[in-house]
Amino acid sequence: AQRVTQPEKLLSVFKGAPVELKCNYSYSGSPELFWYVQYSRQRLQLLLRHISRESIKGFTADLNKGETSFHLKKPFAQEEDSAMYYCALSGGDYKLSFGAGTTVTVRA
Amino acid sequence: DTGVSQDPRHKITKRGQNVTFRCDPISEHNRLYWYRQTLGQGPEFLTYFQNEAQLEKSRLLSDRFSAERPKGSFSTLEIQRTEQGDSAMYLCASSLREMTYGYTFGSGTRLTVV
Repeated sequence: AQRVTQPEKLLSVFKGAPVELKCNYSYSGSPELFWYVQYSRQRLQLLLRHISRESIKGFTADLNKGETSFHLKKPFAQEEDSAMYYCALSGGDYKLSFGAGTTVTVRA
Repeated sequence: DTGVSQDPRHKITKRGQNVTFRCDPISEHNRLYWYRQTLGQGPEFLTYFQNEAQLEKSRLLSDRFSAERPKGSFSTLEIQRTEQGDSAMYLCASSLREMTYGYTFGSGTRLTVV
């Protein structure tokens, strides 16, 4: 069974402060991990995927297989980062298992 | 092609009525998915098509739910005899065969059963 846990429902940070969204997963094989973001009144969209090791909008995420985590980080939060963030896992097939999401509010 | 389109955006229906939602995926994507999202939760998998074949149906999907994807293009999700517990956002997504690229989601259809 695959499971994704996002322990924080809400996260509030000041503009310019670092932000870290936690994601822990449970999966027996080699997962593919993703972060999706949903801005206000917009559709859910892919932010980044672990396999590409890319940085999008200043965000990075490292897959830590030992700790079964895939935390999302940004060194300096911006107001436009305020959104709902979902961590998601694929077991290599077609299904995604999503966490419950974290609402990030960046205050001026 | 402007992405994944879903219609309608909102649907309010009386309990016991049937409703049907439509999804038009990105044309070159051969995989199409339906997910359901309730308040405070992430999306939950309902069903999946590869081309016109429905390859998996979640246990979340009761017999009142049916999905089709004729000719491997658009898909419809029908809910018969709706119940208040069916109220949710129904999301459609499509992808290429390689999962590593993730999904492209539509804007969703918000269903309210009164």
